[in-house]
Amino acid sequence: EPEVTQTPSHQVTQMGQEVILRCVPISNHLYFYWYRQILGQKVEFLVSFYNNEISEKSEIFDDQFSVERPDGSNFTLKIRSTKLEDSAMYFCASSEALGHYGTQYFGPGTRLLVL
Amino acid sequence: DQQVKQNSPSLSVQEGRISILNCDYTNSMFDYFLWYKKYPAEGPTFLISISSIKDKNEDGRFTVFLNKSAKHLSLHIVPSQPGDSAVYFCAANRAGGGADGLTFGKGTHLIIQP
Repeated sequence: EPEVTQTPSHQVTQMGQEVILRCVPISNHLYFYWYRQILGQKVEFLVSFYNNEISEKSEIFDDQFSVERPDGSNFTLKIRSTKLEDSAMYFCASSEALGHYGTQYFGPGTRLLVL
Repeated sequence: DQQVKQNSPSLSVQEGRISILNCDYTNSMFDYFLWYKKYPAEGPTFLISISSIKDKNEDGRFTVFLNKSAKHLSLHIVPSQPGDSAVYFCAANRAGGGADGLTFGKGTHLIIQP
């Protein structure tokens, strides 16, 4: 069964460093998302992406974040200058369509620890 | 700002019995609701969804009920099995879907006791 994959599974970085989290969405899906879950808190939406541009973004997705689909398969989240509070699980998701026409399927996540 | 609320952080149910997980929402623009199951160190796994034009959707052991007037939905698992032990998240999306992300509740940890 097709699935969303994410790499790396764990990443440790120093505050102020740049990190890139990678995702391979399900191949026939057109909509891509990033979410994060800070330890003990709920899963929060960061950004959605369609047709090579951002569709929607939340208040969390500020100028230090960017997303890109550099080729036909990968979807990346870049954090330019990491802060301690960026430590979280980051989940990528994809869907074939929007709303009730397209269920979002999630990857296993990348655990990011900023020291 | 809790637009989706799961008021029970945990729920313990005996194997073979019914598990009922509840979820309330406040945003009347939500019209599509989903339940996800999550094991530790894994991503959320889609279980079942319901559109606001329905009041019930069933898939095997899982049934979701939606009460729009009460802004309440519930997930029923019958019969409960040990593998059902996980955290269950209720999520919602607003009218027309849009490219908005899902709004999640905080989750309910379901423990199935043998």
